Amino acid sequence: GENVEQHPSTLSVQEGDSAVIKCTYSDSASNYFPWYKQELGKGPQLIIDIRSNVGEKKDQRIAVTLNKTAKHFSLHITETQPEDSAVYFCAASTSGSNSGYALNFGKGTSLLVTP
Amino acid sequence: GAVVSQHPSRVICKSGTSVKIECRSLDFQATTMFWYRQFPKQSLMLMATSNEGSKATYEQGVEKDKFLINHASLTLSTLTVTSAHPEDSSFYICIGKGAGGYTFGSGTRLTVV
Repeated sequence: GENVEQHPSTLSVQEGDSAVIKCTYSDSASNYFPWYKQELGKGPQLIIDIRSNVGEKKDQRIAVTLNKTAKHFSLHITETQPEDSAVYFCAASTSGSNSGYALNFGKGTSLLVTP
Repeated sequence: GAVVSQHPSRVICKSGTSVKIECRSLDFQATTMFWYRQFPKQSLMLMATSNEGSKATYEQGVEKDKFLINHASLTLSTLTVTSAHPEDSSFYICIGKGAGGYTFGSGTRLTVV
């Protein structure tokens, strides 16, 4: 099955700096790569996703890049703010129809943005 | 937009009792419902996959007789934790899959005392 590796497990940056979280996946059939933000005591919230027919996607301060050949994708957060502090999860799945496949999650990255 | 309503959000139960968690898809049909659990400071681990009208497929190491899943309709799936024990205390979350993609329930924090 799919195996998703995520690094680093913890990341501390100063406010205003950039943060980068990287994930690799094993199943070349995976074609959907979402990123989730989980705040303490809450469920994960989708922040951005990318499909395998696209190499990069950006939404304001957040961007995701995908390298299909190397089977890795990354989350980039620019101009970080204290409210970006949370646990971030990457995931991968094969999703092209109604039934789809389960999301396989990375182990998470605890991001701390210090003022 | 698509919403999965998950209840209860929190439940405390005594060891040996059963707990039912319900997930309803609103404004869309969840042909597939995925059930995950998340232990503190860990990732979401898939427990089982259920398709409407058929038996759930359980992941290795997940006891199907302990975690009963019912997906009788395209809008309702339930997970029953039978004879709960303290080690079953966890955050359980359902994810519905329909034509529009994945929709997360808000999660259920189960504490077994």
